[in-house]
Amino acid sequence: AQKVTQAQTEISVVEKEDVTLDCVYETRDTTYYLFWYKQPPSGELVFLIRRNSFDEQNEISGRYSWNFQKSTSSFNFTITASQVVDSAVYFCALSEATDSWGKLQFGAGTQVVVTP
Amino acid sequence: DTAVSQTPKYLVTQMGNDKSIKCEQNLGHDTMYWYKQDSKKFLKIMFSYNNKELIINETVPNRFSPKSPDKAHLNLHINSLELGDSAVYFCASSQDMTAYYEQYFGPGTRLTVT
Repeated sequence: AQKVTQAQTEISVVEKEDVTLDCVYETRDTTYYLFWYKQPPSGELVFLIRRNSFDEQNEISGRYSWNFQKSTSSFNFTITASQVVDSAVYFCALSEATDSWGKLQFGAGTQVVVTP
Repeated sequence: DTAVSQTPKYLVTQMGNDKSIKCEQNLGHDTMYWYKQDSKKFLKIMFSYNNKELIINETVPNRFSPKSPDKAHLNLHINSLELGDSAVYFCASSQDMTAYYEQYFGPGTRLTVT
C-alpha cells in the first residue's frame, strides 16, 4: 500500500507566484522522518529538507517553507516567489524508524512548471 | 568532487544480455542503496548494504544481484535483461542505516532494453 500520497500530479505557475506542494503520509510508527527531494530536468535527486515526527514546528529556509501537521498526517512544502529554476519534480518521502533500515518510501512526485 | 557517482550514465542493450552498473561514494558513508525509477517517475528501493552487508532486498527478481566489494562501492549486475527492466537506476548513500539520515543520490543510469 502506498504510504506517501502526493495528489497533485502537476502544478503550473507564473514566475514569482507561490506554489504549495501537498504530501500526506501513513505510518503506525511514533518515530519517523519526512523528506522532500527535488529532481530537476537534468535528472539528479537533490535532498531539500528533513523533518522528524517529534518536531511540528514549521520553518522557513530562504524561499522554502514547510508545514508539518501530525493531526492530519500532512507535510506540505511551499516555494515562495517561484523562479524558472524551481521547475522540477518534487518528491515527498517517508522513513520509518522501526525495521525500515533507512528505506525511503517515496510519493509519486509533483511536477512543478514555472513559466517566465 | 562528485559525492556519489555512477557509471555508465546511459546503457542501451538488447533483451537477454547481462549488464552491470557501478556506484561509488566518497562521503565515508556506511550505507548504500539502489533505487529504480520507472517511466512514471515512481521511485522504489531495491537493495541496501551496510558496511558490505546486505540489509534490504525488496522482492527484486533474482536476475538482479548487487555486490559491495567495500563500503564505498555498490554495484548492480543484471542477468537476462527484459524489456520491463528499462528504467533509471539510482544509487544512493547515507551516513548509516538509521531513518534519520538523508540519502545522497548519484546522477542515475538510464537503462534501455530493446
